[in-house]
Amino acid sequence: SQTIHQWPATLVQPVGSPLSLECTVEGTSNPNLYWYRQAAGRGLQLLFYSVGIGQISSEVPQNLSASRPQDRQFILSSKKLLLSDSGFYLCAWRGPGTSGNEQFFGPGTRLTVL
Amino acid sequence: DAKTTQPTSMDCAEGRAANLPCNHSTISGNEYVYWYRQIHSQGPQYIIHGLKNNETNEMASLIITEDRKSSTLILPHATLRDTAVYYCIVRALSNDYKLSFGAGTTVTVRA
Repeated sequence: SQTIHQWPATLVQPVGSPLSLECTVEGTSNPNLYWYRQAAGRGLQLLFYSVGIGQISSEVPQNLSASRPQDRQFILSSKKLLLSDSGFYLCAWRGPGTSGNEQFFGPGTRLTVL
Repeated sequence: DAKTTQPTSMDCAEGRAANLPCNHSTISGNEYVYWYRQIHSQGPQYIIHGLKNNETNEMASLIITEDRKSSTLILPHATLRDTAVYYCIVRALSNDYKLSFGAGTTVTVRA
């Protein structure tokens, strides 16, 4: 069966520090991968998605970047965090092509920037 | 993707059916209706989806009107654990399968 992991679960970082959040998926090949952010009291915002290794699409201009160095690994990064980067970060996967109808979400990382 | 309109919030009594409406009057012929829910501090969870016909699974039923301009998600016997934000999303199948989450309906199940 497929599982999705995110770490860390919670993170407190000072403004201006770097960030690296990791997401890995097990039990599937060539998944679509997604990064979402949910600011406090707000809806889910799609940040990045990837349909394959090295293929990243950015949905909104921002202080963050994403990379997919391996088929089942998706990384969210920042060189210098802003206060506005605080939020709940969710990684999700979906089967390749049009084969899957669901996105499966990970447990999330709660980031607080102070 | 077609826009959807959902009530901001609704209450439901435990053990009763919860009927969650969604309007999608600009839906195209190739667009599906998807429902997800998000329990507090967790990632969203897929519930059900449909194109034209009514659908039922172990979690819920989806009733789509004949003109497809609106739909209703039915939780047949709501429990306290069904308290969550419910999202109605309309989109066509595609390779990227990007989902656009609106504000959803905050459903509170009360004992």
